Amino acid sequence: AQSVTQLGSHVSVSEGALVLLRCNYSSSVPPYLFWYVQYPNQGLQLLLKYTSAATLVKGINGFEAEFKKSETSFHLTKPSAHMSDAAEYFCAVTYGQNFVFGPGTRLSVLP
Amino acid sequence: NAGVTQTPKFQVLKTGQSMTLQCAQDMNHEYMSWYRQDPGMGLRLIHYSVGAGITDQGEVPNGYNVSRSTTEDFPLRLLSAAPSQTSVYFCASSYSDNTDTQYFGPGTRLTVL
Repeated sequence: AQSVTQLGSHVSVSEGALVLLRCNYSSSVPPYLFWYVQYPNQGLQLLLKYTSAATLVKGINGFEAEFKKSETSFHLTKPSAHMSDAAEYFCAVTYGQNFVFGPGTRLSVLP
Repeated sequence: NAGVTQTPKFQVLKTGQSMTLQCAQDMNHEYMSWYRQDPGMGLRLIHYSVGAGITDQGEVPNGYNVSRSTTEDFPLRLLSAAPSQTSVYFCASSYSDNTDTQYFGPGTRLTVL
């Protein structure tokens, strides 16, 4: 079955520290890959997406992700965490007409 | 431009009751979808539609019906509510298909007793 895994259901970083959220997917063909963010009691909004144009994708709020086909990974990074980055982050993949989300990683940012 | 709207925001049902969750978008998007969000499981696709008059099943369609009579509206019907359907439901829309950016509504929190 097609799947998306996110290592770490909860990640804590200090303000100003590097943010690294991991995502791995299972797919035999190049997929479309996405990162969405969900702030408390809100819907999801798109951070960035990979569509095969470039392996390093830049998104909103200083986030970026790198597609590595050999590792089937699409990890999300931000050089310096801000308190406003505290939220839940979801990696997602298209599999034909199906759209599969990972289980999510909750990011806490400590002062 | 309201984006994607969902009603109600909260709902409590008894087992066996039926109800409809409403979803509307004013962006003239062709693709609309319904997800449920459960703790530790991310969001799972229930049903989707690629245009008015066309709907199809997602990953977890059992117990739910949808229709798409207009481009704007995509209601989700629970035929006979069960406690396993307690969840937060999100509607989303995108321009043409699931490779486009999906815009999500604020969600409906449903409890089935």
